[in-house]
Amino acid sequence: AQSVSQHNHHVILSEAASLELGCNYSYGGTVNLFWYVQYPGQHLQLLLKYFSGDPLVKGIKGFEAEFIKSKFSFNLRKPSVQWSDTAEYFCAVRTGSTLGRLYFGRGTQLTVWP
Amino acid sequence: DAGITQSPRHKVTETGTPVTLRCHQTENHRYMYWYRQDPGHGLRLIHYSYGVKDTDKGEVSDGYSVSRSKTEDFLLTLESATSSQTSVYFCAISDRGESEQYFGPGTRLTVT
Repeated sequence: AQSVSQHNHHVILSEAASLELGCNYSYGGTVNLFWYVQYPGQHLQLLLKYFSGDPLVKGIKGFEAEFIKSKFSFNLRKPSVQWSDTAEYFCAVRTGSTLGRLYFGRGTQLTVWP
Repeated sequence: DAGITQSPRHKVTETGTPVTLRCHQTENHRYMYWYRQDPGHGLRLIHYSYGVKDTDKGEVSDGYSVSRSKTEDFLLTLESATSSQTSVYFCAISDRGESEQYFGPGTRLTVT
């Protein structure tokens, strides 16, 4: 089975700090990559996705992610976080051999202090 | 938000009882999925469907069954609930297997 690793389980930042959340996956073939966010008590929402093309993808709410194929990574970034970014963030991967199936990382809880 | 509803939203049941969770979509998407979310595990796929009456197992399918008799409905059944099935269950949909998935509001199930 594929695996998705999110290195940081809990990140605590002050408002205006920069954010980078790591995501690595274990599959050498074609992948589709996703970041989802889950605000407290809510369902998962898609932040951004990578299918092909420019490895730097921009999503909603000022988030972006960079796909580095050689490092099997898809790290999420935001230059200046806000209190409202407090949420849990999940990286997910779909491989070419698992049509329809997403493999999720364990999630990173982000807490932003005002 | 995608038109996905889940019912019930909360349920408490006793060990050994059968439980059915329902996912209903109004998007006419072909693919539907059931995940469970547990602390420290992220989301794990239980079963998914790629069309009416077409289903397949995910990573954690033991103890669960599914049915899809209509495009809009995907049912998840716990034949005999156990405490290890206490979790939050999310339904998701996508129009194609390679598309992004959209998630429902979730069902919090507690098995006592």
